[in-house]
Amino acid sequence: DIQMTQSPSSLSASVGDRVTITCQASQDISTYLNWYQQRPGKAPKLLIYDASNFEAGVPSRFSGSGSGTDFTFTISSLQPEDVATYYCQHYQFLPLTFGGGTKVEIK
Amino acid sequence: QVQLQEAGPGLVKPSQTLSLTCTVSAGFFSTGNYYWSWIRQPAGKELEWIGRIDSSGSTNYNPSFESRVTISVDTSKNRFSLRLSSVTAADTAVYYCATTRRGVIFDFWGQGTLVTVSS
Repeated sequence: DIQMTQSPSSLSASVGDRVTITCQASQDISTYLNWYQQRPGKAPKLLIYDASNFEAGVPSRFSGSGSGTDFTFTISSLQPEDVATYYCQHYQFLPLTFGGGTKVEIK
Repeated sequence: QVQLQEAGPGLVKPSQTLSLTCTVSAGFFSTGNYYWSWIRQPAGKELEWIGRIDSSGSTNYNPSFESRVTISVDTSKNRFSLRLSSVTAADTAVYYCATTRRGVIFDFWGQGTLVTVSS
C-alpha cells in the first residue's frame, strides 16, 4: 500500500494567515491526489482533485499543487469557518489510502 | 446535488456481522461511470477506504478487509450495502458511504453512522 504522510499533524494560525499543509507519498503517484476538509462532527468534503483542480463551489482561497511524491495544500487567507481537519488521499492504485490528517485551528 | 443516507444498527456484538445500507437520491444512482464506496473512521483516527462497487456490481476491496467484506448494489432501490463479518472492537467506527467519481474521487458523502462493536 502507498503510505501518505501529512505534516504538520496540527497547526494554529490567525485569521487572515496563509496556511500550508504538506502531504508526502511513499512512492510516485503522479498527480493522483485529492484533498478533503472535515469539519468537527461532519463528513469529509471534497475540495481539490487531481492535485490542483478545484471542486465546484470551493472558495478560491483553497489551492493544491505538487506531483510525484510531494504535494502542498494552501489556504491563502485563513477564515474562521476553515477550522477543520484536512486529509490528502491518493489514487495511484488500489487500495485508496488517506493521510493522517492535519487539524487546523484559529489562534 | 446528490444525497446519501446510511442506515443500520448502531450496536453489533463481537463475532457478528455488521450490515449497513446507503440510499442514494433518485436519478443520480443510474448515472454511468460512477462507483459507490464505503469508508470508515475510528474515533480520532484517519479515514480508511473499505471498498467500492459500480452499477454492474463489480467490486474492489481493501485487502485489509477482503476476507470479511461484501459490498452489493440494488439499483432498483437506489441503494448499496456493506456487510462486514466477524467484527471486533477494532471495527467500532463511523461508517460513511460516498459516491466515487471515476472510481477514485469521493465527491459526495453521507452524514455517517456510528457503529459500536460491544457485547
